[in-house]
Amino acid sequence: DGGITQSPKYLFRKEGQNVTLSCEQNLNHDAMYWYRQDPGQGLRLIYYSQIVNDFQKGDIAEGYSVSREKKESFPLTVTSAQKNPTAFYLCASSIDRAAPQPQHFGDGTRLSIL
Amino acid sequence: QQQVKQSPQSLIVQKGGISIINCAYENTAFDYFPWYQQFPGKGPALLIAIRPDVSEKKEGRFTISFNKSAKQFSLHIMDSQPGDSATYFCAASKDDKIIFGKGTRLHILP
Repeated sequence: DGGITQSPKYLFRKEGQNVTLSCEQNLNHDAMYWYRQDPGQGLRLIYYSQIVNDFQKGDIAEGYSVSREKKESFPLTVTSAQKNPTAFYLCASSIDRAAPQPQHFGDGTRLSIL
Repeated sequence: QQQVKQSPQSLIVQKGGISIINCAYENTAFDYFPWYQQFPGKGPALLIAIRPDVSEKKEGRFTISFNKSAKQFSLHIMDSQPGDSATYFCAASKDDKIIFGKGTRLHILP
C-alpha cells in the first residue's frame, strides 16, 4: 500500500543532543512537509520541500534542519538549539505544492526530553 | 490575513445527534478548504474538501457548508457515532500555502 512511514514512533532526547526523525513516502509525491503539533496549537509548519535538493523554512524553523537528497525521503533533525522540542511531529506529502490538493500524513513521531 | 479560526475547541454530542464545527478565514485568495480527522496517536486523514465555487458538499454523513461572502465554512456530521470521536481540523489553502485551524476535539456520548 502507498503511504508515508515515520520512524521511530517514540523518541527521547537528552540535553544537548541532536536527534533525527525519519520520513519515507512511496506515493511518488514531489512535495513533502514537516509539522509540529502541540496540544491546542494545531499544526505548525517547520519545513517543506517541493523538489529534491531544495527546501524552504516554514513558520517555526528555528532549531530544526532538514535534507531532501531523495524524492522518497525527508528527514528532520531536531538540534540542541531547539529548547522546547517535546511535541508530536508529523510528516506529510502532496503531489506538488503548486496546486490545491490534499496532504497525506504519516502517523507521527512523539519526541520527549529525558 | 493568514489565520483560520476554528470553533469550538471541544464538543460533546449525544449519539445520533448532529455535530457542527465552524471555521472562518480572512484571505479571500484561498481556493481549497479541506477537513481532516485525527485519531489519538495517528496522523490526520483527509475527510472531505470543498472549492469555493460550490456552497455545499456531502459525502455520506459528512457535509461541508461554505459561505463565500461571510468567509466561513462548517462541517456537519449527521447521526454522530462514537467512532466519530476524534480531533477535526479545518484548513484553507492557495497554491503553496496551507493554513490549519487549531482543531476541535469531538466526543460522541454512547
